[in-house]
Amino acid sequence: ETGVTQSPTHLIKTRGQQVTLRCSSQSGHNTVSWYQQALGQGPQFIFQYYREEENGRGNFPPRFSGLQFPNYSSELNVNALELDDSALYLCASSWGGGQPQHFGDGTRLSIL
Amino acid sequence: QQQVKQSPQSLIVQKGGISIINCAYENTAFDYFPWYQQFPGKGPALLIAIRPDVSEKKEGRFTISFNKSAKQFSLHIMDSQPGDSATYFCAASKDFGNEKLTFGTGTRLTIIP
Repeated sequence: ETGVTQSPTHLIKTRGQQVTLRCSSQSGHNTVSWYQQALGQGPQFIFQYYREEENGRGNFPPRFSGLQFPNYSSELNVNALELDDSALYLCASSWGGGQPQHFGDGTRLSIL
Repeated sequence: QQQVKQSPQSLIVQKGGISIINCAYENTAFDYFPWYQQFPGKGPALLIAIRPDVSEKKEGRFTISFNKSAKQFSLHIMDSQPGDSATYFCAASKDFGNEKLTFGTGTRLTIIP
């Protein structure tokens, strides 16, 4: 059983650019959540997708958007990047139904 | 509004000792309380979790104590080992974990020989 995999592992962008981060869910998991973890902080919930539909959103602006595909893989898109967007972006998948969320190792995004 | 408060921010424990990390929550709708362990360069890994119908859960050297009336829960690591050195996060969610996890700010644990 493969775990949650994220790509790329590291990324450097400049202010104003756009970025797409990718996540491959653990086999069989139909729910994926994205979190932002600033340095020295706990992860902050961005949004969740269940069977390709957004199923909850945290306190993040609309320039943070996502997609979930029929194979349950997922993308996080961020437009108009700001310096404060520099963080580790984590993807977590689960089977739902009270099953625990399993995290990938994240994408480290640096904004210059 | 920070809904899960975690303390201490950092903790140094001697090998073989007991490590204790505390969390307090505000939202009484929370019904799932996991603890995650995170090593540098890695994502958080689920360590142990508890639901409010029990006051304690033990898995190996790790124990969660839960006090529903005080809205507090804690992680105890018995016989702490250098390999336990990591950052620990408590978290909480509604709907038995189906909804978003709200994380504490983390505790950096260092086990010294």
